[in-house]
Amino acid sequence: EDQVTQSPEALRLQEGESSSLNCSYTVSGLRGLFWYRQDPGKGPEFLFTLYSAGEEKEKERLKATLTKKESFLHITAPKPEDSATYLCAVQPLQTGANNLFFGTGTRLTVIP
Amino acid sequence: GAGVSQTPSNKVTEKGKYVELRCDPISGHTALYWYRQSLGQGPEFLIYFQGTGAADDSGLPNDRFFAVRPEGSVSTLKIQRTERGDSAVYLCASSLIGLEGEQFFGPGTRLTVL
Repeated sequence: EDQVTQSPEALRLQEGESSSLNCSYTVSGLRGLFWYRQDPGKGPEFLFTLYSAGEEKEKERLKATLTKKESFLHITAPKPEDSATYLCAVQPLQTGANNLFFGTGTRLTVIP
Repeated sequence: GAGVSQTPSNKVTEKGKYVELRCDPISGHTALYWYRQSLGQGPEFLIYFQGTGAADDSGLPNDRFFAVRPEGSVSTLKIQRTERGDSAVYLCASSLIGLEGEQFFGPGTRLTVL
């Protein structure tokens, strides 16, 4: 069964304190892995797509990496506005599987 | 050029009642998805439309849940005989075909069943 596990559940960082969020996945075949950001009371907002092991994507203070079993979201020198829940999702390779399987997210709080 | 919109933003109903939740996707997005999100959980897939047809409804929990998209744009999620366990935020998302992982989500409808 396809499964996505994110850790830690919650993370508190001082402004400027870099860290990483983990997403471990089990899927019969991976079409893609996706990172989303969700602010309270809003829908998730797309951040990155990763397709193959070794791939990296960057956007401002965020960098996403992918291996065959997990993905990391690295946050460099975070700011309070980076506070949000970060969701990881996988899209299985099987034909017709267009839906995403989401993890439960990591709730990030950046303290000024 | 607006994003995905959902109405109502909040819906409170009584156990056993029927509810309809509406989603307006981004213009030109042929793919449309419904998800359900409970507190502290990630979104859980319900149903996927490609155009007017439901291409994958494997996530619908039971036959009380039904969704339509008659003209390939607006979609309505319908829940019959609501139960307290149906309380959640119902999210709609849309995407371009071929970019199904890059989904644009609406703000959701918070459904509370008393």
